[in-house]
Amino acid sequence: SAVISQKPSRDICQRGTSLTIQCQVDSQVTMMFWYRQQPGQSLTLIATANQGSEATYESGFVIDKFPISRPNLTFSTLTVSNMSPEDSSIYLCSVDIGGGQYFGPGTRLTVL
Amino acid sequence: GESVGLHLPTLSVQEGDNSIINCAYSNSASDYFIWYKQESGKGPQFIIDIRSNMDKRQGQRVTVLLNKTVKHLSLQIAATQPGDSAVYFCAEYTGRRALTFGSGTRLQVQP
Repeated sequence: SAVISQKPSRDICQRGTSLTIQCQVDSQVTMMFWYRQQPGQSLTLIATANQGSEATYESGFVIDKFPISRPNLTFSTLTVSNMSPEDSSIYLCSVDIGGGQYFGPGTRLTVL
Repeated sequence: GESVGLHLPTLSVQEGDNSIINCAYSNSASDYFIWYKQESGKGPQFIIDIRSNMDKRQGQRVTVLLNKTVKHLSLQIAATQPGDSAVYFCAEYTGRRALTFGSGTRLQVQP
C-alpha cells in the first residue's frame, strides 16, 4: 500500500471561487485518479492523471471545470473552478499500486 | 463529521454474528474486484480483492465470494465487531485501471 495525504482536509468556499486540492504520495506511482463522492453517494471517477500526459476525463467532467496537474510521480492537484453549491462533495485521490487501488483521506468541500 | 452513505441500504447485525454484504456488478468483462470499507470522515480502506479466475478468497475474518455467472460479489465478515460498522463498497476494474463503484451498504453492529 502507500501513505496518501490530501490538503486541505476540508474547506468552506464561496460561490464563484476556485479551490485547489493537493494529493501527495509517499512513493512514486504512475497512475493517480481523482474521484468525487457527493453527499450520501458512492464514488464517481472524475479523471485519470498519469505523469507525463494530459489527464483523461470521464463523461460529465471537463478540464475547464476540473483542471488537473501531475508534475511528478508523487504529487497531483485537482482544481474545482467557479464553484457552485452543487460542487459540495468529498474529493478523493487514489493511486494504483501493485494492481490494487488505495485512497487518500479525502477533501470535504462545502460551497455556500 | 458528516456521515457517508446517509441514504444507503443498511444491514444491522448483533456483535459476534457473521455479516454478509452483497453486490451486483455490471460489466461481464471486469476481471478484478475490490471491497472497500469507509468510515465516517475517512477515505475508502482496501479490505480484500479477488480476480475473476477465482471464486473465493479469504483474509483475516473476511471472505469474498465471486459468482461470475450471475455477476454477483459478496463480502462475509466473521464474528462482526463494533469496529466493523461502516459503509462497504464493492468496486470493479473496467479495464483502464480505474474503478467503478457499487452503491454501497451501511453495516451497523449492535453491541
